[in-house]
Amino acid sequence: LAKTTQPISMDSYEGQEVNITCSHNNIATNDYITWYQQFPSQGPRFIIQGYKTKVTNEVASLFIPADRKSSTLSLPRVSLSDTAVYYCLVGEDQTGANNLFFGTGTRLTVIP
Amino acid sequence: ETGVTQTPRHLVMGMTNKKSLKCEQHLGHNAMYWYKQSAKKPLELMFVYSLEERVENNSVPSRFSPECPNSSHLFLHLHTLQPEDSALYLCASSQGLTGADEQFFGPGTRLTVL
Repeated sequence: LAKTTQPISMDSYEGQEVNITCSHNNIATNDYITWYQQFPSQGPRFIIQGYKTKVTNEVASLFIPADRKSSTLSLPRVSLSDTAVYYCLVGEDQTGANNLFFGTGTRLTVIP
Repeated sequence: ETGVTQTPRHLVMGMTNKKSLKCEQHLGHNAMYWYKQSAKKPLELMFVYSLEERVENNSVPSRFSPECPNSSHLFLHLHTLQPEDSALYLCASSQGLTGADEQFFGPGTRLTVL
């Protein structure tokens, strides 16, 4: 099971780019890297997923180096509404010993 | 709106009560999940169902009893709970069970056990 390590919290000013890095040293060959966002008292929401190199969508970018032992979620020009907990997940199979592990996530606070 | 609904949104119950949480997904997914999120703790996966078959039970106490009558509905039956069971209970669904399958979460049920 590829556990992940993320910073517990980060602060950023509005309009800045925020990069949140996740370490997953034991990532397996078939594992995908997925990031979720969670607002208070709501369920997590999918942001982005990747396997290698770079992935970009309308919300964020995900950078994955060649060794795949870490990944970085990049949020461009954050706003107050981006204040949330961000989870990095690594896994191939959502059952048994390989089930996805949400961890503690990174609490991002965007400051006016 | 994620396509996953949960009822009730809030529930207060005594330790001797029996209640049920309901989850419904309108996405045509094959897998459904129950998670527990206590205050300031990570999400804990409780149960996983795939095509109405339970495929995962993460050492959850028997006072929590899941039921999946069909691929669109998932229930969590609660009986003789403890105050430490107070938490946000989240339901999710996904098309499949691989790490590449995005999970869609419901809004959760905020449970308080007195």
